[in-house]
Amino acid sequence: KAGVTQTPRYLIKTRGQQVTLSCSPISGHRSVSWYQQTPGQGLQFLFEYFSETQRNKGNFPGRFSGRQFSNSRSEMNVSTLELGDSALYLCASSLTRSTGSGANVLTFGAGSRLTVL
Amino acid sequence: TQLLEQSPQFLSIQEGENLTVYCNSSSVFSSLQWYRQEPGEGPVLLVTVVTGGEVKKLKRLTFQFGDARKDSSLHITAAQPGDTGLYLCAGGAAGTASKLTFGTGTRLQVTL
Repeated sequence: KAGVTQTPRYLIKTRGQQVTLSCSPISGHRSVSWYQQTPGQGLQFLFEYFSETQRNKGNFPGRFSGRQFSNSRSEMNVSTLELGDSALYLCASSLTRSTGSGANVLTFGAGSRLTVL
Repeated sequence: TQLLEQSPQFLSIQEGENLTVYCNSSSVFSSLQWYRQEPGEGPVLLVTVVTGGEVKKLKRLTFQFGDARKDSSLHITAAQPGDTGLYLCAGGAAGTASKLTFGTGTRLQVTL
């Protein structure tokens, strides 16, 4: 069973550019969430998509956006890149979206490491 | 804003030693998960606890969720080099199960 696939694994951009990152979830998983990981702030939640709808959003500026396609694949976009956007962007997929007190079983991809110069 | 503080931040021990990592918050969480992350990879889920006072054991790892559901601990018995990695706790709120608040992380190194 293939895991969560993120592309590209590494990329370098310059300030002001934009970037699109892709995430292919585990087959059958309908929930995809995105996290940003930096040495200073750790792992921070960006947003979650379920059945092509954004269900939750973290505290990030509007430059960060995402979408999910009908096959559950997801993309996130960062526009007008800043130096502080340099980070490891992690995608996680889960089978369902829990609405109770339980927690989803998240499977993370290896991440896309973005460097902004 | 919910925050999860982990201690210690760094831990370097020898093979065979025991250790405990703590995860504390002033907020109540409906669930608490522990992950381990190795260089170049994403975090891997180790355990989920949802009941206050719950204790779960996974081979040499023992996880506990505080009675008030504000804190958790991870105890490793007889650490091995394969336990080396970044340990992260993550709290979840009811109804937003993929929106996790991650802890600050504990980097563990186990040497021979």
